[in-house]
Amino acid sequence: AQTVTQSQPEMSVQEAETVTLSCTYDTSENNYYLFWYKQPPSRQMILVIRQEAYKQQNATENRFSVNFQKAAKSFSLKISDSQLGDTAMYFCAFTLGANAGGTSYGKLTFGQGTILTVHP
Amino acid sequence: ETGVTQTPRHLVMGMTNKKSLKCEQHLGHNAMYWYKQSAKKPLELMFVYSLEERVENNSVPSRFSPECPNSSHLFLHLHTLQPEDSALYLCASSQETGAYYEQYFGPGTRLTVT
Repeated sequence: AQTVTQSQPEMSVQEAETVTLSCTYDTSENNYYLFWYKQPPSRQMILVIRQEAYKQQNATENRFSVNFQKAAKSFSLKISDSQLGDTAMYFCAFTLGANAGGTSYGKLTFGQGTILTVHP
Repeated sequence: ETGVTQTPRHLVMGMTNKKSLKCEQHLGHNAMYWYKQSAKKPLELMFVYSLEERVENNSVPSRFSPECPNSSHLFLHLHTLQPEDSALYLCASSQETGAYYEQYFGPGTRLTVT
């Protein structure tokens, strides 16, 4: 079974600074996807960034980037130039690729979440 | 807004009541999901539907009964719930099932069982 661990229950950062959220996972498969989701206080969860395990290049989306260390099974999220609107719960999630261990049906396994607060 | 709506947003029910949660997606997706989000626990996948057919039941108790009459609507029928079932219930949809397709989440229904 796959597991996802976020060891930081809460983090805080000053506006305009950089913060890194940690995530580790455990799997014996090689074909998988990793995600960071953001859940603001309004509760509607949105996808922040996605990484395919077969890609060596780290994914980036504007101010958001990841540090994907496949051998270490680590997938951290870096938020640069933090903004007040970045305040949210952040979830790391994992899913198997279509041909890894049978049909995955998009089954996401989530970590416990990290509450990020951006202070003015 | 993600294109996925859920009603009601808040629900309080007794253990002997029967109620239903509704989810609607306006994205033309073929797959829909129910998740349970309890305090201090990771989100748990409950059910997956693909083209109105249930393809995943993640060992959910029978007091939760899903229904997907078409690819735009998903219901979760609740009966004889327990206090530990109090949680935020999230609906999501994706173009197809499978890892490649992004899941779009609704705002959730906050359920309290008394």
